[in-house]
Amino acid sequence: QSALTQPPSASGSPGQSVTISCTGTSSDVGNYNYVSWYQQHPGKAPKLMIYEVSKRPSGVPDRFSGSKSGNTASLTVSGLQAEDEADYYCISYTGSNLFYVFGTGTNVTVL
Amino acid sequence: QVQLQESGPGLMKPSQTLSLTCTVSGGSVSSGDYYWSWIRQPPGKGLEWIGYIYYSGSTYHNPSLKSRVTMSVDTSKNQFSLKLSSVTAADTAVYYCARLLVLPAALDNWGQGTLVTVSS
Repeated sequence: QSALTQPPSASGSPGQSVTISCTGTSSDVGNYNYVSWYQQHPGKAPKLMIYEVSKRPSGVPDRFSGSKSGNTASLTVSGLQAEDEADYYCISYTGSNLFYVFGTGTNVTVL
Repeated sequence: QVQLQESGPGLMKPSQTLSLTCTVSGGSVSSGDYYWSWIRQPPGKGLEWIGYIYYSGSTYHNPSLKSRVTMSVDTSKNQFSLKLSSVTAADTAVYYCARLLVLPAALDNWGQGTLVTVSS
């Protein structure tokens, strides 16, 4: 079961937007609207930011948004702030084997 | 507010069996809406599924860990546990327990994580 592919890094200046991709296959991302995104600061546990492709849990700023096209899901952070600097991971439901698969992770830097 | 807390050894020797327990407060491991999950993160690397268990005792584990993984749930103590046998240095990682909403496939609550180091 292969991991979902994310770019290793992304960056943007304060106030700008950054978009992170999460590419899978027709067996996972492309076949289900069950993609979630997590933010992880150094030394901390991951935090759920987006679920079901584009829904935000209570308390997550609306600067964070999600979308999906074909086999690729995306997380966009608008109006970048210093505290958005972190690692971001996606997860998709797969319907087979372990049922869920992680992305490889993206380190976001705020310039 | 649901809270999860891992407990277990910090340092182990190769070939030993790792035992971790996750204690859940503010929620019940008997809920049918969740899988109770184990995830690990080697130093400087990404997240890796170990596996997860349903309140009924059904388990799913990462095939890459083969038969080394055993998971259990204790509804009377509101805990779930992980055993990983024959550990090597490659098993050195921060181990997280987390609550997984079956669908929408969202890990909505995580423990703080516990570092397990395997060294002779």
